[in-house]
Amino acid sequence: GESVGLHLPTLSVQEGDNSIINCAYSNSASDYFIWYKQESGKGPQFIIDIRSNMDKRQGQRVTVLLNKTVKHLSLQIAATQPGDSAVYFCAENALDDKIIFGKGTRLHILP
Amino acid sequence: DTGVSQDPRHKITKRGQNVTFRCDPISEHNRLYWYRQTLGQGPEFLTYFQNEAQLEKSRLLSDRFSAERPKGSFSTLEIQRTEQGDSAMYLCASSLGSGSTEAFFGQGTRLTVV
Repeated sequence: GESVGLHLPTLSVQEGDNSIINCAYSNSASDYFIWYKQESGKGPQFIIDIRSNMDKRQGQRVTVLLNKTVKHLSLQIAATQPGDSAVYFCAENALDDKIIFGKGTRLHILP
Repeated sequence: DTGVSQDPRHKITKRGQNVTFRCDPISEHNRLYWYRQTLGQGPEFLTYFQNEAQLEKSRLLSDRFSAERPKGSFSTLEIQRTEQGDSAMYLCASSLGSGSTEAFFGQGTRLTVV
């Protein structure tokens, strides 16, 4: 079936550098995309979302980019901090409002 | 705390026993989701509700799993005759409803079947 996936399972980034986490999706009917952060032992925490009629959205230190042509989503974290260490999931929300998650990328912050 | 609340946080049960988990969503949220998550994987969709109506149940879910949301507020997820493969984190989320709104997650219930 159609699913959301991620290119890299683990990403290591120097503290202070920018992080870019990528995601590919396959359901062309999806109209809403969300990035979640999950720390160990906790539930996923909303970071930022974007609707399919947009290609970029910015939040505090985070930017999400959506390329519908190639069905690609990315999360950019500026000036990565130790507290950014977590697993990051992209998720898609199709017309039936069912939120489907990918496998996740673990972000390691190097001192 | 007005977020999504799940109870219990941890549950250890013997194989073959029945277990029931509870989720209290954010009060004005109409949509409620259940997910299952195993180590190293993303949350896997199980089922969701719009108010008290169950909209869809994953085809991956066996008949041992059942969920209810009788009054459109809290929800329960029951697993009958538990198996070791049921060991996972069970997550609940809620949102305002249709229109692609943000879903908020609870802390989850970690189930261990021994």
